[in-house]
Amino acid sequence: GENVEQHPSTLSVQEGDSAVIKCTYSDSASNYFPWYKQELGKRPQLIIDIRSNVGEKKDQRIAVTLNKTAKHFSLHITETQPEDSAVYFCAAIYGTASKLTFGTGTRLQVTL
Amino acid sequence: SAVISQKPSRDICQRGTSLTIQCQVDSQVTMMFWYRQQPGQSLTLIATANQGSEATYESGFVIDKFPISRPNLTFSTLTVSNLSPEDSSIYLCSVATQFGNTIYFGEGSWLTVV
Repeated sequence: GENVEQHPSTLSVQEGDSAVIKCTYSDSASNYFPWYKQELGKRPQLIIDIRSNVGEKKDQRIAVTLNKTAKHFSLHITETQPEDSAVYFCAAIYGTASKLTFGTGTRLQVTL
Repeated sequence: SAVISQKPSRDICQRGTSLTIQCQVDSQVTMMFWYRQQPGQSLTLIATANQGSEATYESGFVIDKFPISRPNLTFSTLTVSNLSPEDSSIYLCSVATQFGNTIYFGEGSWLTVV
């Protein structure tokens, strides 16, 4: 099966700085890589995703990059704001089963 | 995106009892799943809910403990049986959109077993 590793487990940045969270996956057949943001007491919300035929995707302050050769993908948040504080999960899907394997999560704290 | 409703949103249950969680989607979806998120942990897939047939369970999860029903393409239930404090978790229903692998989650059901 798939195995997804995520680093760092906690990340503290000052408001306005950038944050980067990295994930690696084990199965080269994986083809879809979503990122979820989970605020305290709430469900995971899809914030951005990337498919294996694309190397980079951007949505305003959020971007995701994918390196298929190295089997890793990263989330980049620029100009961080206090409301970006949350736990972020990366995940990977392979095949047509649509089953997600999640990373262990990164707790991001944006300080004033 | 699909609108996914789960209930109950929260419950406190006595050990040894069972809790059934319902998941309703506003459109027909091919794939429905149930995930568990233990306190402070990541999400783990329990099973795939198959319409009209038995669910497909992941390693470490069994039908006797987590019976699942899916009578149609918009509804599923997860029962957590013979509750123990270790079952205290968030249980999340999720669906895959028909035209891609995009996965969305319901609001979650917060279970506390006392």
